[in-house]
Amino acid sequence: AQSVSQHNHHVILSEAASLELGCNYSYGGTVNLFWYVQYPGQHLQLLLKYFSGDPLVKGIKGFEAEFIKSKFSFNLRKPSVQWSDTAEYFCAVIPSTGFQKLVFGTGTRLLVSP
Amino acid sequence: DAGVIQSPRHEVTEMGQEVTLRCKPISGHDYLFWYRQTMMRGLELLIYFNNNVPIDDSGMPEDRFSAKMPNASFSTLKIQPSEPRDSAVYFCASSVHRVLNTEAFFGQGTRLTVV
Repeated sequence: AQSVSQHNHHVILSEAASLELGCNYSYGGTVNLFWYVQYPGQHLQLLLKYFSGDPLVKGIKGFEAEFIKSKFSFNLRKPSVQWSDTAEYFCAVIPSTGFQKLVFGTGTRLLVSP
Repeated sequence: DAGVIQSPRHEVTEMGQEVTLRCKPISGHDYLFWYRQTMMRGLELLIYFNNNVPIDDSGMPEDRFSAKMPNASFSTLKIQPSEPRDSAVYFCASSVHRVLNTEAFFGQGTRLTVV
């Protein structure tokens, strides 16, 4: 079965700082990868996803992520964060074939100070 | 489409009582997932269904937990008897067939408090 690890549990940044959140997965085959965001008190919403093709994926609100197959990584980036980006961010992975479950990392809490 | 609909949004119950959480997935979605979110354990997958059939329930913590999906538009997660450690936010999510799109759409969640 696949697994996901997010290295940073809490990140604190000032507005306009650059963001990079780490995500590594373990699975021997091809996978689909996701980043979800959960704003305080709300449900999870999709930020971006990778299925195939260009490993640099652009999502909503200026976020992007790069899939590096050799490193089993799918790090999330944003060049300049805003206070409104304060939220919890989850990386998730699902194998591309077969009956497999969508597995989430433990999440990273981002606090952006104005 | 109204999205994934969960009810109730909040539930407070006494220890030992039965609790039933409900979920209506997005119409046409083949997969339905139940997740539990706590501060200590993060987001845990409890069980998921494909075409109303339970595929993997290995995440269900104990026999006190059970889930059903009697038809394509309705699923329940039941806890009987409930315990304080079951307090968490329970999310339901659905997605279409994996060949087309495996993005999961989440409901608003049910915040369960067992006292």
